[in-house]
Amino acid sequence: QVLLVQSGAEVKQSGASVKVSCKASGYSFSSHHLHWVRQAPGQGLEWMGGISPGGDYRDHAQNFQGRVTMTTDPSLTTVYMELSGLTSDDTAVYFCARLKAYAFDVWGQGTLVTVSS
Amino acid sequence: SYVLTQPPSVSVAPGQTATITCGGNNIGRKGVHWYQQKPGLAPVLVIYDDSYRPSGIPERFSGSNSGNTATLTIRWVEAGDEADYFCQVWDPTDYHVFASGTRVTVL
Repeated sequence: QVLLVQSGAEVKQSGASVKVSCKASGYSFSSHHLHWVRQAPGQGLEWMGGISPGGDYRDHAQNFQGRVTMTTDPSLTTVYMELSGLTSDDTAVYFCARLKAYAFDVWGQGTLVTVSS
Repeated sequence: SYVLTQPPSVSVAPGQTATITCGGNNIGRKGVHWYQQKPGLAPVLVIYDDSYRPSGIPERFSGSNSGNTATLTIRWVEAGDEADYFCQVWDPTDYHVFASGTRVTVL
């Protein structure tokens, strides 16, 4: 069974950073890029960026330029997303998702990040 | 930037057909993917590359794409189909683009 399991909910102060993990299992980790998509309360889906399994290729949305860092640990079949300079606008559920061709075919359960001032 | 447009809501009676549109400039030239999201859960891919169903997705779900509009059709709607539906494409400038979503209400 293909699974993406994310780390637990976080509460952060404004200006802080948050790091969310996503552990993949049930498939060949080296075969698919993993991406991050977030969803603010009551809002739609917003693509943040993605990383290749070995970490040699990354892309990200312009909105997160300079604030998002994605890393990977193939030995743990885990990817990480760190977002810095948090504001209340970053309060959202953060999902990791597996990319298959150009669609996201498997999703993690989501991680709620709450930013308080 | 590439913009996708969906109606905010669609209402349908059980057993009827729900049609959800996704508009974009020459979207017919792109592969369109559709996701279903129920409250508190992660999205689920229901259609990829315009009209293909992942394993486990009922045949009641179908998709098409032409010109400036892609369409997700749900036939014989059931109460369990009540959810938000999002379309998504890949664009060479903006990469992965999602529309704002359509809430499907089963009357």
